[in-house]
Amino acid sequence: DSGVTQTPKHLITATGQRVTLRCSPRSGDLSVYWYQQSLDQGLQFLIQYYNGEERAKGNILERFSAQQFPDLHSELNLSSLELGDSALYFCASSADTGEQFFGPGTRLTVL
Amino acid sequence: AQKVTQAQTEISVVEKEDVTLDCVYETRDTTYYLFWYKQPPSGELVFLIRRNSFDEQNEISGRYSWNFQKSTSSFNFTITASQVVDSAVYFCALSDFSNTGNQFYFGTGTSLTVIP
Repeated sequence: DSGVTQTPKHLITATGQRVTLRCSPRSGDLSVYWYQQSLDQGLQFLIQYYNGEERAKGNILERFSAQQFPDLHSELNLSSLELGDSALYFCASSADTGEQFFGPGTRLTVL
Repeated sequence: AQKVTQAQTEISVVEKEDVTLDCVYETRDTTYYLFWYKQPPSGELVFLIRRNSFDEQNEISGRYSWNFQKSTSSFNFTITASQVVDSAVYFCALSDFSNTGNQFYFGTGTSLTVIP
């Protein structure tokens, strides 16, 4: 158990819908990272937050957004969902030492 | 541009054999981090190691060892006396040096199957 929690574990929704994925980092970790893992794209870095502020952006679509709240939990919002958004979404957290610890992931299925 | 290449898509070995997973990276930065992660069939991602670009010393942790060579931009991972539990997908990754704002780049992964 990495100490990072993600909810929900599974999510099934329809095209055009909007969903919110939630992540709670390990106690004391200020950085939260979001990743998308799909069969054809591999593991893609989406975005990083550090102590509430956006710090690094990867291959995140404009339809996706994220935020980190004062209690350091983070949410990833995915809107206008398409079939191709079906993937495993991971959250990871790290302290200033840089090692990342991953949550169990949320499996999103868009029908 | 930053890039990580794991040329080996799939590897199969018989239990107790040694296996090396290759990782080659590209970066213009002089300071950076390199990582290895393991993703077993259950799906979670497990952190294995982080090295910074200043430290080329090889590292050994039990049956695992890592060979970092800046001259060839490689960070290879060797499993000695492989076991069935080592079966997983292994990812190599590269990130900027800053701990507070990192862009991460992952390789496409190497799927290792250890046959009993």
